[in-house]
Amino acid sequence: GAGVSQSPSNKVTEKGKDVELRCDPISGHTALYWYRQRLGQGLEFLIYFQGNSAPDKSGLPSDRFSAERTGESVSTLTIQRTQQEDSAVYLCASSLNPGNSPLHFGNGTRLTVT
Amino acid sequence: QKEVEQDPGPLSVPEGAIVSLNCTYSNSAFQYFMWYRQYSRKGPELLMYTYSSGNKEDGRFTAQVDKSSKYISLFIRDSQPSDSATYLCAMDSGGSNYKLTFGKGTLLTVNP
Repeated sequence: GAGVSQSPSNKVTEKGKDVELRCDPISGHTALYWYRQRLGQGLEFLIYFQGNSAPDKSGLPSDRFSAERTGESVSTLTIQRTQQEDSAVYLCASSLNPGNSPLHFGNGTRLTVT
Repeated sequence: QKEVEQDPGPLSVPEGAIVSLNCTYSNSAFQYFMWYRQYSRKGPELLMYTYSSGNKEDGRFTAQVDKSSKYISLFIRDSQPSDSATYLCAMDSGGSNYKLTFGKGTLLTVNP
């Protein structure tokens, strides 16, 4: 596809349930990133993939958060036992190479935990 | 002090005005500077990408970087209602550093 695709675009879930968010990066982009955007806040880095490996997971807020990438393509961000403070827009981005090429973002998944 | 400071606005201007958006930063290792535009309920869209100090122009948009002052700017000439969006500055130090650091964004409204 032409850009980064994320699904679902919106997700409403009950507190305590698990959710999976999907990202399809731009074809050929080796680097993939997850960011979180809370209302009125800047983008918060969560995790970065180079190929299928995640060299740095330090941005994940707690052990309820995990992510994987397969085939150097699709990535899934999983949040277990969701809490209300997890409500945010989760943005995925990809870039040709890490560190010195610009990020291209998807439109995000808007997660609401009730 | 936050690594990147950006006035959240909101900023409201009449159509045709020149808009100036700014960010300051504290990390002298930053070398790559970006401006993203984010429309409501959309992902950030890359507008300008610059390396080190200097100016870069693209149509109605001009990005300026002053590394000595740790200050970056985005100018929009002849602003249009379609420019109404949130503008985010972002920066990183390149190389093995892959984490973009973002400002909180400035909400701009251009009134017809």
